[in-house]
Amino acid sequence: QKEVEQDPGPLSVPEGAIVSLNCTYSNSAFQYFMWYRQYSRKGPELLMYTYSSGNKEDGRFTAQVDKSSKYISLFIRDSQPSDSATYLCAKGDYKLSFGAGTTVTVRA
Amino acid sequence: GAVVSQHPSRVICKSGTSVKIECRSLDFQATTMFWYRQFPKQSLMLMATSNEGSKATYEQGVEKDKFLINHASLTLSTLTVTSAHPEDSSFYICSARGLGGSSYEQYFGPGTRLTVT
Repeated sequence: QKEVEQDPGPLSVPEGAIVSLNCTYSNSAFQYFMWYRQYSRKGPELLMYTYSSGNKEDGRFTAQVDKSSKYISLFIRDSQPSDSATYLCAKGDYKLSFGAGTTVTVRA
Repeated sequence: GAVVSQHPSRVICKSGTSVKIECRSLDFQATTMFWYRQFPKQSLMLMATSNEGSKATYEQGVEKDKFLINHASLTLSTLTVTSAHPEDSSFYICSARGLGGSSYEQYFGPGTRLTVT
């Protein structure tokens, strides 16, 4: 079983829609949860991180963690074509474990 | 701040040759560097972790004699793919973390695409 499971999509939404991305994880040791954005043929870029259950907002982005169900989510409000990318969830304390990444396309 | 560079960005080599990829932290001292491999439409797979001045720690299934990692300074780590074969073709990404940095404070390079013909 992979430590982090993520539906690879792809996901296509119209501009302005809410993008909802989800991951599940195993191993409940204390750790951080991260969301990265990766454009084609580029390295990942950290979007958000959190270590506790609940919601964390940053502009149009909201990260949600539910430790009881081992579920992490990322919501993107008012999506823009520039949000088109692959989104990777990750968890870890020292070393990171990544999900497979979900490819998102926001249609203008 | 926290910029990590990789060189080269793309490399094509012939089967049997060796290729060196450099990873540099440009504006901070990277006490730990990580090397990942990413296949198309797949996740990042951690290959090894290196601490400055120490031998790298390889993940299970990664051949340490094939993927040589050197972390000789606080700003430079290198990955050498020895006797490369077509199955080694992949996107290699490094990341760097400073002393005392949390797991989210891991900054990624832009990646190196290796094609072995």
